[in-house]
Amino acid sequence: EPEVTQTPSHQVTQMGQEVILRCVPISNHLYFYWYRQILGQKVEFLVSFYNNEISEKSEIFDDQFSVERPDGSNFTLKIRSTKLEDSAMYFCASSDTGFYGYTFGSGTRLTVV
Amino acid sequence: AQSVTQLGSHVSVSEGALVLLRCNYSSSVPPYLFWYVQYPNQGLQLLLKYTTGATLVKGINGFEAEFKKSETSFHLTKPSAHMSDAAEYFCAVSLSNSGYSTLTFGKGTMLLVSP
Repeated sequence: EPEVTQTPSHQVTQMGQEVILRCVPISNHLYFYWYRQILGQKVEFLVSFYNNEISEKSEIFDDQFSVERPDGSNFTLKIRSTKLEDSAMYFCASSDTGFYGYTFGSGTRLTVV
Repeated sequence: AQSVTQLGSHVSVSEGALVLLRCNYSSSVPPYLFWYVQYPNQGLQLLLKYTTGATLVKGINGFEAEFKKSETSFHLTKPSAHMSDAAEYFCAVSLSNSGYSTLTFGKGTMLLVSP
């Protein structure tokens, strides 16, 4: 069964450093998303991406965040200058043109120290 | 704006017992409703979804959920729990059936299954 692949599975970074979280969506999917889950809290929507541009973003997705699809397969989330409160599990997801529910990746646990 | 409330952060059942995980939603328009399961150190896996049509929806692993508009509920059930069902379960709502609709999740319910 097709999978969404996220790397790394766990990343530790120092406050103020830039991090890039990587995702390989399912190959024939057209819509891509990032969600995050702070420990003990809800899974929250960050951003959706379609046709090489952001289609929707939440209030969480401020200027410190950016997304990119640098080639035909990868989808990345960059946090420019990490804060302690960015520590969370970040999930990438993709979907095709019909809404059958997203396929989520296993997540990247980001720890900012 | 839509929201999701999951009653009970933890639910404990014995193996073989009925599983009932509660989910209530608020939405100004007809919602699309989902249940996801998250096993330890894994991603979110779609269990089942309601979009339109039959209000009783069957999913994977013997789970089902019933959409009750009058009660704004979408509770998840399984007649007989198995040890392998122990996981965290998330209810989610989306207002749109478009490709890039966003999901609003509940806080999740951890299902504990004892022998």
